[in-house]
Amino acid sequence: AQSVSQHNHHVILSEAASLELGCNYSYGGTVNLFWYVQYPGQHLQLLLKYFSGDPLVKGIKGFEAEFIKSKFSFNLRKPSVQWSDTAEYFCAAFSGGYQKVTFGTGTKLQVIP
Amino acid sequence: DTAVSQTPKYLVTQMGNDKSIKCEQNLGHDTMYWYKQDSKKFLKIMFSYNNKELIINETVPNRFSPKSPDKAHLNLHINSLELGDSAVYFCASSYQGREAFFGQGTRLTVV
Repeated sequence: AQSVSQHNHHVILSEAASLELGCNYSYGGTVNLFWYVQYPGQHLQLLLKYFSGDPLVKGIKGFEAEFIKSKFSFNLRKPSVQWSDTAEYFCAAFSGGYQKVTFGTGTKLQVIP
Repeated sequence: DTAVSQTPKYLVTQMGNDKSIKCEQNLGHDTMYWYKQDSKKFLKIMFSYNNKELIINETVPNRFSPKSPDKAHLNLHINSLELGDSAVYFCASSYQGREAFFGQGTRLTVV
């Protein structure tokens, strides 16, 4: 079965610290990968996506992610976080075989001014 | 223009009642979803429709019944509401496996 794992459940950082959130997926076939952000009380918004090509993808608000096929990983990074990055972050995967977008359990990021 | 819109945004109702949540997308997408987000923020897919056809029905109680009158609409009807149904319900749409766009969510509170 397709699954997505996020190992960091709650991350607390000071402003200007670097961020890396882990994401692993289980499906062995072709997958489309996504990172979403959910600010408090709001809906999910797309940060970035990977379908094919360059494994290093850049998204909005200075976020980037690297797809490493051999590790089944798609980690999210940001060199310097801001207080406004405080939110819940979800990794997600879509595979044609399962015809659905599966989400990880989310990582709550708290940035301290 | 809102890409994926769902109504109502808030819904407070008593146990045993029947309620509906409506969703519409104006993106021309071929797939629509219903997700449930619990108090721990875990997102679980409930249903997926592709071109009005039900393709995913996760282990959801029969009290939940989706209806897709056309490709742009996917409604969710819930019978005999229970306390455990309290959650935020998100509608989403996508096109051929590309990124999903989400509605604003419906916060359902059953009292």
